[in-house]
Amino acid sequence: EVRLLESGGGLVQSGGSLRLSCGASGFTFSSYRMTWVRQAPGKGLEWVSSISGGGGTSYYADSVKGRFTISRDNSKNTLYLQMNTLRADDTAVYYCAKEPGVGGWWFDPWGQGTLVTVSS
Amino acid sequence: EIVMTQSPATLSVSPGERATLSCRASQSVSTNVAWYQQKPGQAPRPLIYGASTRATGVPASFSGSGSGTEFTLTISSLQSEDFVVYYCQQYDNWPLTFGGGTKVEIK
Repeated sequence: EVRLLESGGGLVQSGGSLRLSCGASGFTFSSYRMTWVRQAPGKGLEWVSSISGGGGTSYYADSVKGRFTISRDNSKNTLYLQMNTLRADDTAVYYCAKEPGVGGWWFDPWGQGTLVTVSS
Repeated sequence: EIVMTQSPATLSVSPGERATLSCRASQSVSTNVAWYQQKPGQAPRPLIYGASTRATGVPASFSGSGSGTEFTLTISSLQSEDFVVYYCQQYDNWPLTFGGGTKVEIK
């Protein structure tokens, strides 16, 4: 069974940093592209960042470009999101998601999410 | 950036009836659209990819159609667990974008 488990969320002050992790199991991690998606409280879904299986190619939303860095350690089956210069509008549940390998950049499955709260 | 517009924002339907949800793209995305269902307090669950292919384990009561800029998710007979929120997503171009969601509520 494919499992994704996020960790690292919490309360941080505006301007601070946080690193999220997503542990993966049940599949050959290095063979699949991975993504972070966030959801602000009571709001819709927002794509944040994606990374290729080998880690050599990454993509970012304009809202986080230059502040967030996606990476992966395929030896540890773990995806990361380093978040710097955090702002109040970064407050959200952050989900990691796996690209299923069939038909492009859609997501299946998703982790349960980790909440990041940025206080101003 | 491709804007995905979902309508209506809220859809009121009686149990057992059909629900039709719409998603419009600001430019053509071919058939590179996925639909997700999100229950309160849970992560989204994929329903449809490629505009019309059901994801693994999704019942046949869910169907998707469309291409280009107009897409539809149809739920043929609403069950109690289907009264939740649905999102469309395009993956034809970067940045990947989601629609604002449609909440299906009991009429």
